[in-house]
Amino acid sequence: QQPVQSPQAVILREGEDAVINCSSSKALYSVHWYRQKHGEAPVFLMILLKGGEQKGHEKISASFNEKKQQSSLYLTASQLSYSGTYFCGTEAPNSGYALNFGKGTSLLVTP
Amino acid sequence: NAGVTQTPKFQVLKTGQSMTLQCAQDMNHEYMSWYRQDPGMGLRLIHYSVGAGITDQGEVPNGYNVSRSTTEDFPLRLLSAAPSQTSVYFCASSYGGGYTFGSGTRLTVV
Repeated sequence: QQPVQSPQAVILREGEDAVINCSSSKALYSVHWYRQKHGEAPVFLMILLKGGEQKGHEKISASFNEKKQQSSLYLTASQLSYSGTYFCGTEAPNSGYALNFGKGTSLLVTP
Repeated sequence: NAGVTQTPKFQVLKTGQSMTLQCAQDMNHEYMSWYRQDPGMGLRLIHYSVGAGITDQGEVPNGYNVSRSTTEDFPLRLLSAAPSQTSVYFCASSYGGGYTFGSGTRLTVV
């Protein structure tokens, strides 16, 4: 089952912050975050393992609450290069490390 | 390293034709997956593999077959193409961390 992402789309001005949420109805072992530019392949940003850790990548960080089966991606001081579609991918226990992806959140950063 | 290589990049098929989408990785990754991407639907899992000789079905496996005879290769076969299979197909591989995606195959079935 696909996880649910929100919001579906967001428009920011350069320098503003954004939060993208991902929730699952199934127990999770890990959550991945990817960014896809138009016409390109998804690119891995970070992985969060069961344990509620928070990780960071440049000015992009994420958290994972395995009790609520939810993850959030935080983009701070957004840059034009952050524009794209963000996908969360969830891994359930005993799933062979296969990911189920949400439908994506389209992010546009304007000057 | 080439990473994950998918061929062809573009393909047009007639309804009922069969074809194989090729995927090869040179990173010795155990985990490989096939996804299709349709507008507004995100990435949907077709089939996946945890190693040579081991495959399993994902969310949308109907109409597709896979095999994994080597660690490097994970081809996706369309048995009898239908217009509903018009999509962009991505192959991805991982060692257990993040997935590396191929550049995709854009398939149109007419």
